[in-house]
Amino acid sequence: AQSVTQPDIHITVSEGASLELRCNYSYGATPYLFWYVQSPGQGLQLLLKYFSGDTLVQGIKGFEAEFKRSQSSFNLRKPSVHWSDAAEYFCAVADVFGNEKLTFGTGTRLTIIP
Amino acid sequence: NAGVTQTPKFQVLKTGQSMTLQCAQDMNHEYMSWYRQDPGMGLRLIHYSVGAGITDQGEVPNGYNVSRSTTEDFPLRLLSAAPSQTSVYFCASSYISGSSYNEQFFGPGTRLTVL
Repeated sequence: AQSVTQPDIHITVSEGASLELRCNYSYGATPYLFWYVQSPGQGLQLLLKYFSGDTLVQGIKGFEAEFKRSQSSFNLRKPSVHWSDAAEYFCAVADVFGNEKLTFGTGTRLTIIP
Repeated sequence: NAGVTQTPKFQVLKTGQSMTLQCAQDMNHEYMSWYRQDPGMGLRLIHYSVGAGITDQGEVPNGYNVSRSTTEDFPLRLLSAAPSQTSVYFCASSYISGSSYNEQFFGPGTRLTVL
């Protein structure tokens, strides 16, 4: 069965600093990978997704993620965070064989300090 | 388009009470699903549906029932609420298109407390 691990429960970053959120997955083949963001009291918004092709994918709000097959990782990055980036971030994986079900990681809460 | 809507936004129940969480989408999506979100556990799939009249269990289905009589609606029923069902519930929907994957759109959530 597929699974997702987000090893960092909580990360604190200064505004303007760079950010990297870690995500490792377990799956028998190349999966579909996603990053979602959840602002306080809100639903989930898709930041970016990887299906195939270029391993560096660009998303909304200045985020990017890199798929590394050898490390089974899909880390999320942003070169300079803004206070509005404070939120919870979820990595997720979907089955490539036409199955729409998503498996989520446990999430990383991001705090931004001035 | 309203997207995915959920009602109510908040609900408090007593143990043993029943209720239905409503989910509707106006995008003509075939796939609909329910997740629960608990601290430190991410989102876990409860039930899902690939079309009207077709439902299946997800990772944590116990204590929940679903039905899909129309494409638009996918209600989640708690027949006898328990404190362990205190959670935030999200509904999501997407198209289904063969071998490719389609983005799931999430509703705003329902925060349920069972006393």
